[in-house]
Amino acid sequence: LAKTTQPISMDSYEGQEVNITCSHNNIATNDYITWYQQFPSQGPRFIIQGYKTKVTNEVASLFIPADRKSSTLSLPRVSLSDTAVYYCLVGAYNQGGKLIFGQGTELSVKP
Amino acid sequence: SQTIHQWPATLVQPVGSPLSLECTVEGTSNPNLYWYRQAAGRGLQLLFYSVGIGQISSEVPQNLSASRPQDRQFILSSKKLLLSDSGFYLCAWSGGVAGNNEQFFGPGTRLTVL
Repeated sequence: LAKTTQPISMDSYEGQEVNITCSHNNIATNDYITWYQQFPSQGPRFIIQGYKTKVTNEVASLFIPADRKSSTLSLPRVSLSDTAVYYCLVGAYNQGGKLIFGQGTELSVKP
Repeated sequence: SQTIHQWPATLVQPVGSPLSLECTVEGTSNPNLYWYRQAAGRGLQLLFYSVGIGQISSEVPQNLSASRPQDRQFILSSKKLLLSDSGFYLCAWSGGVAGNNEQFFGPGTRLTVL
């Protein structure tokens, strides 16, 4: 399972775009990149998943360069309710469905 | 739609007492099931995962055990709790579809061992 590295914490203000970058130098060919969001005292919630290039949904965008050794989660126009911990995970189903959560990035959005 | 239940929501237990946390999933069949523990508010530690009835893989040596007596039931147990077992325990399931390992988490159980 590829190890991921992401910043421990980030600060932002309401209305700004937030980009959280994750490094995964040892990503394997069949690995997908997945991001989760966790609020205090709740379980993590799936945000977005991608394999290469760019993926966009109603919540966020995920940018993955050609070498796939990193990825960037982009949150457009954050609000106070986006204050949470964001986890980047790399893995594939054929690894038994396991996901390894790192420490995540604690995003604090201020008014 | 699929739902996942965990109980109890909170639990306070003395050191040395037994533990049983239950997790059930509805609306899907043959899910992959997982138990995680989160201490100090950050970083989820995978404890056990199961790809089928009676099939349990342990990720971390400890005084905890897991069982899957039915397809959609996952139980976390301990014979004697330690202070270090305190934490937020989360159960999760995934559909196991190739290339999509999205996991869905339950509401969690906050365990305090005194």
